[in-house]
Amino acid sequence: SQQGEEDPQALSIQEGENATMNCSYKTSINNLQWYRQNSGRGLVHLILIRSNEREKHSGRLRVTLDTSKKSSSLLITASRAADTASYFCATGQGAQKLVFGQGTRLTINP
Amino acid sequence: DTEVTQTPKHLVMGMTNKKSLKCEQHMGHRAMYWYKQKAKKPPELMFVYSYEKLSINESVPSRFSPECPNSSLLNLHLHALQPEDSALYLCASSQDQRRLSTDTQYFGPGTRLTVL
Repeated sequence: SQQGEEDPQALSIQEGENATMNCSYKTSINNLQWYRQNSGRGLVHLILIRSNEREKHSGRLRVTLDTSKKSSSLLITASRAADTASYFCATGQGAQKLVFGQGTRLTINP
Repeated sequence: DTEVTQTPKHLVMGMTNKKSLKCEQHMGHRAMYWYKQKAKKPPELMFVYSYEKLSINESVPSRFSPECPNSSLLNLHLHALQPEDSALYLCASSQDQRRLSTDTQYFGPGTRLTVL
């Protein structure tokens, strides 16, 4: 499969804790993106990291990319109940499309 | 306006019906996408339009027929669907800057389709 693998498939933590999700992929990429999806809704773009970048920050989000290991991680710090959602990595493959990973379902418990 | 709108929100149809899903964006984006998403699965790309021309068809059955009347509108015509086609259908758009794979995609809220 060209799709990325994410782990864990599901993650449940207490509000205020940090959440880390991982994404692995198989082919060479030109960028990797992370999206969030609230239940039954559309996806929202969170952050894009290019293949020549190693780390990127946006607010409470920190993304790393290790192209030698073909893996990326998304860290959400100081989690909030509103962060409860599914998180997908998407790899830019070739010129034409993104391929989405299987996703991590994150639950933040109050 | 940074919104992608989709109508209807919900659709129930029989296997002999013909229906259409509609998607609209006013961000000046020149690429538009249809995705299919089953429960607890990632979105699967169906079609991509770039500058109103079909650029990708991911071997989708002919009972799904896309149409891009202009740069702001994208339709998906449905005919003789099967119960396994029940899913959330997502529309997205992006700027189309040389490489679609580096674009940020903006998604609509989706149409929940049930085929009886």
